[in-house]
Amino acid sequence: QLQLQESGPGLVKPSETLSLTCSVSGGSISSRNYYWGWIRQPPGKGLEWIGSMYYSGSINYNPSLKSRVSISVDTSKNQFSLRLSSVTATDTAVYHCARLNCVGGSCYTFDYWGRGTLVTVSS
Amino acid sequence: QSVLTQPPSVSAAPGQKVTISCSGSSSNIENNYVSWYQHLPGTAPKLVIYDNNKRPSGIPDRFSGSKSGTSATLGITGLQTGDEADYYCGTWDSSLSAYVFGTGTKVTVL
Repeated sequence: QLQLQESGPGLVKPSETLSLTCSVSGGSISSRNYYWGWIRQPPGKGLEWIGSMYYSGSINYNPSLKSRVSISVDTSKNQFSLRLSSVTATDTAVYHCARLNCVGGSCYTFDYWGRGTLVTVSS
Repeated sequence: QSVLTQPPSVSAAPGQKVTISCSGSSSNIENNYVSWYQHLPGTAPKLVIYDNNKRPSGIPDRFSGSKSGTSATLGITGLQTGDEADYYCGTWDSSLSAYVFGTGTKVTVL
């Protein structure tokens, strides 16, 4: 059974960079037909897609966050990471990592998720 | 601000049925497959419907999905207390070049 686990600091200061890592177990991050992505949920609000990346380098970012976001993959560690720069209080959220299923060539489904980690932006 | 609109909440008694609508447009729902996710705060969201109407392994047939034009619907029959959660629709938006989620619906079992 595929499992994803987020890790990283729970508190980040305004204007600094948020960095999180997602560790994947029970499957390879280099598997064909799957992208790896990040989704967040601010307190009291809904889900927001941040971006997704294929192990070989193809990346899609949410246009509203594109100027501040970077996602990378480390196949040797079976992990992928998120960096969000110049954070403000509005970036406070639970951050989930997830697998995006692209079997058949179309990517419409996040089929496995991590339980998420709360990141608070505050001085 | 989400481009997929859902009702904030729905409720029904145990054993009854609820339906959750997800309204979008031609750039998302009408021309792409829709997925539905069940989420209890503090837990990992769970996929309950993909490709508009398919159930992943382990999801009971009490959960069903459908799509017509620019709207999709999730149905839950034989409602159980364990179904209490937030439900989100999701799909790709070709105009925004972004994956979009619905506004979310809280299901309450009375």
